[in-house]
This record gives sequence, C-alpha cells and structure tokens, in this order.
Amino acid sequence: EPEVTQTPSHQVTQMGQEVILRCVPISNHLYFYWYRQILGQKVEFLVSFYNNEISEKSEIFDDQFSVERPDGSNFTLKIRSTKLEDSAMYFCASSVGTSSYNEQFFGPGTRLTVL
Amino acid sequence: AQSVTQLGSHVSVSEGALVLLRCNYSSSVPPYLFWYVQYPNQGLQLLLKYTTGATLVKGINGFEAEFKKSETSFHLTKPSAHMSDAAEYFCAVSAAGGFKTIFGAGTRLFVKA
Repeated sequence: EPEVTQTPSHQVTQMGQEVILRCVPISNHLYFYWYRQILGQKVEFLVSFYNNEISEKSEIFDDQFSVERPDGSNFTLKIRSTKLEDSAMYFCASSVGTSSYNEQFFGPGTRLTVL
Repeated sequence: AQSVTQLGSHVSVSEGALVLLRCNYSSSVPPYLFWYVQYPNQGLQLLLKYTTGATLVKGINGFEAEFKKSETSFHLTKPSAHMSDAAEYFCAVSAAGGFKTIFGAGTRLFVKA
C-alpha cells in the first residue's frame, strides 16, 4: 500500500541553524501539506502546495519557512534559522485533490529538537 | 474562520464499553468534518469524514460519527471498545474546496481490560 515517507525521523539542531525536512508523498497525489504538532498541543496547519506553488499558508509559516518540490518526488520544508519554539513533530501529508474532498495521507513525522 | 473543540483530553473506558469522543466545531461556511486516529509513533490515519449527504457516517474499525448542524457537533462513537482502540483521536474541519484542515487538540483514549 502506498504511503507517505519522511526523513529523518528525528533531527536535533542548534538554535539558528538551517534544517531541511524531507517528505516523499504518494506518487499520484497532487496536493502536499506540512503540519506541526508541538508536544502536548494540537496539530497545526503550516502550508499547502499545489502546482509548484503555495496555495495556502498559516500565520505560523513566516519568512523563516519555505517549501519546495525539487525533483518531482520529494517535498521539503526548510527552516532557515531555527528557534527553540520550532521544536515540534512535523507531519507531511498528501492528497489526490483538495483536503476537503479527499483524504489526506500523513507521514509518520519528523521530530525536530532545537537546542 | 473555523475551529474545533474536543471535550476531554483523556477518556478511559473498559473493554467492551461504549466509546464516545466529543467534538464541536465552528465554521462560517458549511463544514467538512473528519476524525483521525494516531497510534504511538505513527502518522495520522483517517477514520471517517462527513462532506455532504447522510449525517451518520460510518468509518473504519467500527467507528461512526453523526453530524448535527443544530448542535454544531460531530461526536465519534463505537459500540464496543477494543484494546486496540487505545490511541489519540483528532477531530478536524475544513471548508469546501479548502486547502487546509484545522485540528482539535486531540483526545487520548485509554481502554481498560
């Protein structure tokens, strides 16, 4: 059964460093998403991506964040200069169509720890 | 704007007992509603969703939920809990044609033998 994969499973970084979180969505999906879950808190929407551009983003997704689909299979989230408060579980998801009509398939997540 | 409130961060039931996880939503447009389950160290898995039509929605693993517009609720139920149901459950809402899904804070379900 096709699934969304994410690497690494756990990333530890120093404050101020850049990190790139990687995701491989399901191959025939067209919409891609990043969510984050700070420990003990709710899952929060960060950004959606379709047709090589951002379709919607939340207020959390500021200039420190960027997304890219560099090679037609990977979907990446870059945090330019990490802050302590960026420590969270980051989930990638993909869907065939928009999230409201179609099931989003989630990856297992990358736990980011910023020291 | 849309939001979701899940009542009870933790719910504990005995094996074989009724499971009831409560969710209320707020939406300025007709909502699409979802329940997701998260097992330890795994991603989110869709249990069921309501878009339009029948207000009682059946999902996987024997779960079902009923959309009640007058109560702005979408509670999740299962007649008989199983040990394997122990997990975190998230209620979520999105708008028709929307790109984002708004999640509730989650309810952790414990099942006692």
